[in-house]
Amino acid sequence: NAGVTQTPKFQVLKTGQSMTLQCAQDMNHEYMSWYRQDPGMGLRLIHYSVGAGITDQGEVPNGYNVSRSTTEDFPLRLLSAAPSQTSVYFCASSSDRASPGYAFFGQGTRLTVV
Amino acid sequence: AQSVTQLGSHVSVSEGALVLLRCNYSSSVPPYLFWYVQYPNQGLQLLLKYTTGATLVKGINGFEAEFKKSETSFHLTKPSAHMSDAAEYFCAVIVTGFQKLVFGTGTRLLVSP
Repeated sequence: NAGVTQTPKFQVLKTGQSMTLQCAQDMNHEYMSWYRQDPGMGLRLIHYSVGAGITDQGEVPNGYNVSRSTTEDFPLRLLSAAPSQTSVYFCASSSDRASPGYAFFGQGTRLTVV
Repeated sequence: AQSVTQLGSHVSVSEGALVLLRCNYSSSVPPYLFWYVQYPNQGLQLLLKYTTGATLVKGINGFEAEFKKSETSFHLTKPSAHMSDAAEYFCAVIVTGFQKLVFGTGTRLLVSP
């Protein structure tokens, strides 16, 4: 099925551990983004990419790294997890050819850092 | 910078009543505006969008929104609420030419029998 796939769905990390959240889309979209969702704060943009090899920072990039080696994949890396990174993470993709800003969202990854 | 403000973190209505969720935006250039819905433990789904043209926009599930430039508003309405409408709703803005969505803080819609 076409769409955005995020793995894992749930993850518990200890403070200081590193991990990668995976995101893949099969719609050949140029644009991909990572958001975090926290209660009362809506969704905040972490990093985004406008195409393979091109990434940029969003509103809350500290503590996260991204790369975009292919059109399909946009992994998010937590280098040294902190309790403040406990959140629900969403990956989204979109294309200007479809409609600007019409983003397809994954189902989310619920991350707990203890 | 572009931003959106959603008035009311929670809105409660009875089944069959009018739904009105408020969104005001701030943008120095003509914005693209969106409403997304999130059901429990799911990702976000686009309800409707305003880009250019007609200011009254119809979306899925009977929802509609009107872009009012003079009031910098993009309120979401539905004439008659259903129990299945209970969810969290997010207003979002994007500046023409960019792909960064800026979301409001969300409004949780509660529907009682």
